[in-house]
Amino acid sequence: GDSVTQMEGPVTLSEEAFLTINCTYTATGYPSLFWYVQYPGEGLQLLLKATKADDKGSNKGFEATYRKETTSFHLEKGSVQVSDSAVYFCALSGIWSGNTGKLIFGQGTTLQVKP
Amino acid sequence: EAQVTQNPRYLITVTGKKLTVTCSQNMNHEYMSWYRQDPGLGLRQIYYSMNVEVTDKGDVPEGYKVSRKEKRNFPLILESPSPNQTSLYFCASSASGQESSYEQYFGPGTRLTVT
Repeated sequence: GDSVTQMEGPVTLSEEAFLTINCTYTATGYPSLFWYVQYPGEGLQLLLKATKADDKGSNKGFEATYRKETTSFHLEKGSVQVSDSAVYFCALSGIWSGNTGKLIFGQGTTLQVKP
Repeated sequence: EAQVTQNPRYLITVTGKKLTVTCSQNMNHEYMSWYRQDPGLGLRQIYYSMNVEVTDKGDVPEGYKVSRKEKRNFPLILESPSPNQTSLYFCASSASGQESSYEQYFGPGTRLTVT
């Protein structure tokens, strides 16, 4: 079945460091890919998305490119801030027709940024 | 403001006492879903609904019920809660159809403790 694998955390970085959180997936067809972020005590917020191969999603300085050849959707940010400390989830959603429409999540990666 | 609301945000109850967690969205979305989030297990889908009066089981439906009498509301019912249903619950909604990218919008979460 469809699945998402994320790098294990926690990831601890100093402010202004470069961030990469790896995400790979297995899926039939051509899923849409997402990164969600969960700040402490809050719900999940959509961070960015990509709906087809080679699409690049970007938001708040974060980027991820949909790589069909490597089935990956790695999250990157050039310079992290303390306020980026959160749990990051990679997720996929299959085609609508004949699908449950559910999101399949990775396990989540905790990012802690120190001043 | 487009949003998904859940109530209550926090609930402590005892084994066997029926409870309902409400979920409402104001985006006219067809699709709604419930997830539970547990440490080490990530997010798992409980039930989903493709439209009014159409519901189906997700990955972990045991011990839960749902209904979808109106498009905007999708309550989660625990008829006889047990301690293993202690968890953080999220409601989500999404547009459907060809023009949708299937991204889901999440509520703020309901932290349930069953003693």
